Amino acid sequence: SAVISQKPSRDICQRGTSLTIQCQVDSQVTMMFWYRQQPGQSLTLIATANQGSEATYESGFVIDKFPISRPNLTFSTLTVSNMSPEDSSIYLCSVGGQPYEQYFGPGTRLTVT
Amino acid sequence: AQTVTQSQPEMSVQEAETVTLSCTYDTSESDYYLFWYKQPPSRQMILVIRQEAYKQQNATENRFSVNFQKAAKSFSLKISDSQLGDAAMYFCAYRSGDYGGSQGNLIFGKGTKLSVKP
Repeated sequence: SAVISQKPSRDICQRGTSLTIQCQVDSQVTMMFWYRQQPGQSLTLIATANQGSEATYESGFVIDKFPISRPNLTFSTLTVSNMSPEDSSIYLCSVGGQPYEQYFGPGTRLTVT
Repeated sequence: AQTVTQSQPEMSVQEAETVTLSCTYDTSESDYYLFWYKQPPSRQMILVIRQEAYKQQNATENRFSVNFQKAAKSFSLKISDSQLGDAAMYFCAYRSGDYGGSQGNLIFGKGTKLSVKP
């Protein structure tokens, strides 16, 4: 299984600002996934990040709001831009493993005031 | 589009007893994978058990087992000899088999909050 770390683990931000979340994996992976978990809710996929190409966003999520970088096979960042209280969520990164499993980072708890 | 439904928002079990969490899914695919994840208050998502759709045999991992009914599109999780540490949110998840290797994302149900009474 992969070991995934995320930074920061939590943050409190003011509306209108941006926060960049980092995801580091201990092994090279082709794809990384970013999920959002709103309070008391399930996980929803934001986008899939493939190294060397643009991220693929799910319906309801746009690049201007959630820009993603994937500079190499072990690292990715997700930025939450121009934040509003509705962006308060846990953001999790995930990577695929064999066979067909997914491993998750510890999550970043974001509170927007 | 695939969907995953967990009809039990909350469940409770006495320590050492057995509990079953329900999950149904909808798909037109024949090749897919099903998972149960556990999320304790620490919010770390932990893989509990997985099932390949092409396998008829139900998966088992120590105290955790599934009842996979492919025709009924049902995938329940049974926890035997429940322990206090089993208290968590449990999410059922679906992954398409159309993606090669490790590239497919997961579709999650809304979760079931399990409480374990001492």
